[in-house]
Amino acid sequence: NAGVTQTPKFRVLKTGQSMTLLCAQDMNHEYMYWYRQDPGMGLRLIHYSVGEGTTAKGEVPDGYNVSRLKKQNFLLGLESAAPSQTSVYFCASSIGHYTEAFFGQGTRLTVV
Amino acid sequence: AQTVTQSQPEMSVQEAETVTLSCTYDTSENNYYLFWYKQPPSRQMILVIRQEAYKQQNATENRFSVNFQKAAKSFSLKISDSQLGDTAMYFCAFMSYDMRFGAGTRLTVKP
Repeated sequence: NAGVTQTPKFRVLKTGQSMTLLCAQDMNHEYMYWYRQDPGMGLRLIHYSVGEGTTAKGEVPDGYNVSRLKKQNFLLGLESAAPSQTSVYFCASSIGHYTEAFFGQGTRLTVV
Repeated sequence: AQTVTQSQPEMSVQEAETVTLSCTYDTSENNYYLFWYKQPPSRQMILVIRQEAYKQQNATENRFSVNFQKAAKSFSLKISDSQLGDTAMYFCAFMSYDMRFGAGTRLTVKP
């Protein structure tokens, strides 16, 4: 049972490049989340999804897009990377409201 | 929108002693869950304890317990008999329609 898997684990991008982070969960969870973690700021919610085909904005959605075409996958896209998007990105999933979230190992992204 | 505040950026405690980490939150919701997560240097997020807002009884998990004051919107974590392995970042989290985190408290357990 893999739980929540994030791909890739590390990435360096040049300013203006695009990329997609993949999150996959094998627990049949309805809810999935993308967070970014920056020093002194905790985890801030970027986007989330409450089910296949649905997405919603979180606290810091600007510069990111997401898609949930399949229940088990939640993709986070950066169309034109900026140095301010240098961060550690975490994906999480949960059965639904009011239940604990399970996290992936994180992706360290550096934009130069 | 819900906000979560952890007012202690860093704390330290001697091994075997007790330490309390503070968390306050702001919400207009009546039904929600609260969590404490631990993040060791490995970066993995580990659930420490959870509390349902509708339960008056404070949650406990071995050496970890919470003091949940719903009216005051306060949710502190007490770690008893601190161990070196408790050294980590600790995040308070609030969940209703989505899940929001505080800025974290870096706890160091000293031998």
